[in-house]
Amino acid sequence: DAMVIQNPRYQVTQFGKPVTLSCSQTLNHNVMYWYQQKSSQAPKLLFHYYDKDFNNEADTPDNFQSRRPNTSFCFLDIRSPGLGDTAMYLCATSRVAGDQAKNIQYFGAGTRLSVL
Amino acid sequence: ELKVEQNPLFLSMQEGKNYTIYCNYSTTSDRLYWYRQDPGKSLESLFVLLSNGAVKQEGRLMASLDTKARLSTLHITAAVHDLSATYFCAVGLEYGNKLVFGAGTILRVKS
Repeated sequence: DAMVIQNPRYQVTQFGKPVTLSCSQTLNHNVMYWYQQKSSQAPKLLFHYYDKDFNNEADTPDNFQSRRPNTSFCFLDIRSPGLGDTAMYLCATSRVAGDQAKNIQYFGAGTRLSVL
Repeated sequence: ELKVEQNPLFLSMQEGKNYTIYCNYSTTSDRLYWYRQDPGKSLESLFVLLSNGAVKQEGRLMASLDTKARLSTLHITAAVHDLSATYFCAVGLEYGNKLVFGAGTILRVKS
């Protein structure tokens, strides 16, 4: 009964070869997030969608793009992966319901990306 | 720029012992989260703390929040091996839309 599903779990790509990671959710949450987590580091927010509104973090490289075609799916596109993009990519969702709500983010199992 | 500092970064404990992980942050926030991550796995939500003085407990873990001191603690009571994991605190901004994580505390409980 996985609620936030990421595919693939493992992805190996070559330097410069575009790659797409996918995330789907069964929670009907209105917000979806993408995080990058490098080895032994904290997750770092790349961007998030609040419904259809895209919110990019100021320091997210232009190489990273995202699409959210509907409520359930969100994609992370890396146009020209570099060696430094090797990391775990985590998708998360939340239902933002008001300023006193908990707004817990629920994470998927992640995609471990290796750029060779 | 918001900074979130956790300490210690690595904690090796004997089973049955107590210990506290600290999370300091540099700016006001409306909420504080604690997550657990097992090796190679995703993050699991443990606690959400929404107000000054909030205390939450689940099993051997207890989290508290002091917004005036900008400090949250995660207290471990009578540690067991199953608690071995990495624990992250995260400060919530924009009503939790944006999380800024601490570096994480790697906890190893030894038999």
